[in-house]
Amino acid sequence: EDKVVQSPLSLVVHEGDTVTLNCSYEVTNFRSLLWYKQEKKAPTFLFMLTSSGIEKKSGRLSSILDKKELFSILNITATQTGDSAVYLCAGRISGAQKLVFGQGTRLTINP
Amino acid sequence: KAGVTQTPRYLIKTRGQQVTLSCSPISGHRSVSWYQQTPGQGLQFLFEYFSETQRNKGNFPGRFSGRQFSNSRSEMNVSTLELGDSALYLCASSFGRTEGNSPLHFGNGTRLTVT
Repeated sequence: EDKVVQSPLSLVVHEGDTVTLNCSYEVTNFRSLLWYKQEKKAPTFLFMLTSSGIEKKSGRLSSILDKKELFSILNITATQTGDSAVYLCAGRISGAQKLVFGQGTRLTINP
Repeated sequence: KAGVTQTPRYLIKTRGQQVTLSCSPISGHRSVSWYQQTPGQGLQFLFEYFSETQRNKGNFPGRFSGRQFSNSRSEMNVSTLELGDSALYLCASSFGRTEGNSPLHFGNGTRLTVT
C-alpha cells in the first residue's frame, strides 16, 4: 500500500528560526514529490520535485528530493508568522493525477 | 488567471440525501481530480478525470461518483449520505496526465456537513 509519512506532526518555533520538515514515501510507480501549504482551505502549491539531488528554491523556502533513500525535506529559513500553516507533502503516481498525501506538519511561528 | 473554482462553498445535508458538488478547473487544464479531507484520514484521493473519462479511482464506495464535461468542468455526486461523509471536498486541476511536469492546483473546497 502506498504510504507517505511526515515528521514532525507539529512544530512550534520563534520568528526568525529555521525549520526543516521531513517527508518519507513508499509509492508504487512514483513520479514526483509535491509540497503544499494549507492555511485555511485550498492547499497552495509550493514545489514539485522529480529529480534526485536538485534543490528547488523559492525565496526563503527550499526543498530537495532523495530518490534513493525515498525522502524529501522542506526548509524554511528566517521564519515569519505568515509561515504558520499545515505543510503537506504528496507522492505522485506516474501517468496519473493521483497524489498520496502525508498527514501534514502543523507549523506554528510565534512572534 | 482564475484559479480552480468550487461551488458551493458550504453544504448541510441530512443522512440519506444525495449531493452534487461542482468544480471548474483553471483555463486550459484538462485533468480534474477530487480529494476528501477529514481530520482523521487526511487528504484521500477519490477519482481523476481526463477528457471526460475516469482514469483512476480511489478506495471509496460506489456511492461516490463523478463525471467530467467537454469543457473540462467536473461534478462529483455522493448518494445516500452518511454522517462519515462530512468532510472538505477538494478539487484539483492540471494540464493533463500526459504532462508529467504539471503540478496540481487546488480549489478552496466544498465543506459538506451531514446531520
